[in-house]
Amino acid sequence: GENVEQHPSTLSVQEGDSAVIKCTYSDSASNYFPWYKQELGKGPQLIIDIRSNVGEKKDQRIAVTLNKTAKHFSLHITETQPEDSAVYFCAASIRLYNAGNMLTFGGGTRLMVKP
Amino acid sequence: KAGVTQTPRYLIKTRGQQVTLSCSPISGHRSVSWYQQTPGQGLQFLFEYFSETQRNKGNFPGRFSGRQFSNSRSEMNVSTLELGDSALYLCASSTVASGGQETQYFGPGTRLLVL
Repeated sequence: GENVEQHPSTLSVQEGDSAVIKCTYSDSASNYFPWYKQELGKGPQLIIDIRSNVGEKKDQRIAVTLNKTAKHFSLHITETQPEDSAVYFCAASIRLYNAGNMLTFGGGTRLMVKP
Repeated sequence: KAGVTQTPRYLIKTRGQQVTLSCSPISGHRSVSWYQQTPGQGLQFLFEYFSETQRNKGNFPGRFSGRQFSNSRSEMNVSTLELGDSALYLCASSTVASGGQETQYFGPGTRLLVL
């Protein structure tokens, strides 16, 4: 089955700096890669996702890049703010129409943004 | 639209008991997935239901089961509870968007403590 590895497990940055979280996946058939943010006491919240026919996607301060050949994808957060502090999870799945949902998650990255 | 709701939010049980958790998906969403989140194993897929049928299943013992009702609400049941079943149980709902792509939206979770 799919295996997703995520690095680093913890990341501390100064407010205003950039943060980068990297994930690798094992199944070359995976074609959908969402990123979730989880705050204390809450469920994961989707922040951005990318599909395998796209190499990069950006939404304001957040961007995700995908390298299918190397089987890795990364989350980039620019101009970090204290409210970005949370645990971030990457995930991978094979998305075929009507074939259902089964996300395989990375181990998570605890991001701390120091004011 | 209201988000995914899960009840109860917190639960304490003793070993050997059974427990039923409930999930109400976002209105219009027909797919419901369940995940277990623990500090040691991270986020792991349990199963997914679509139109009252189990469409995908993760690698969990038969003590874990679920079902979905005609209104898309879902329940999961854990029988003969073990200490290791203590976890945050997350429900996610999704719908098929254009292009056959589904995005999962998570609820706040039910925190189960087994004593």
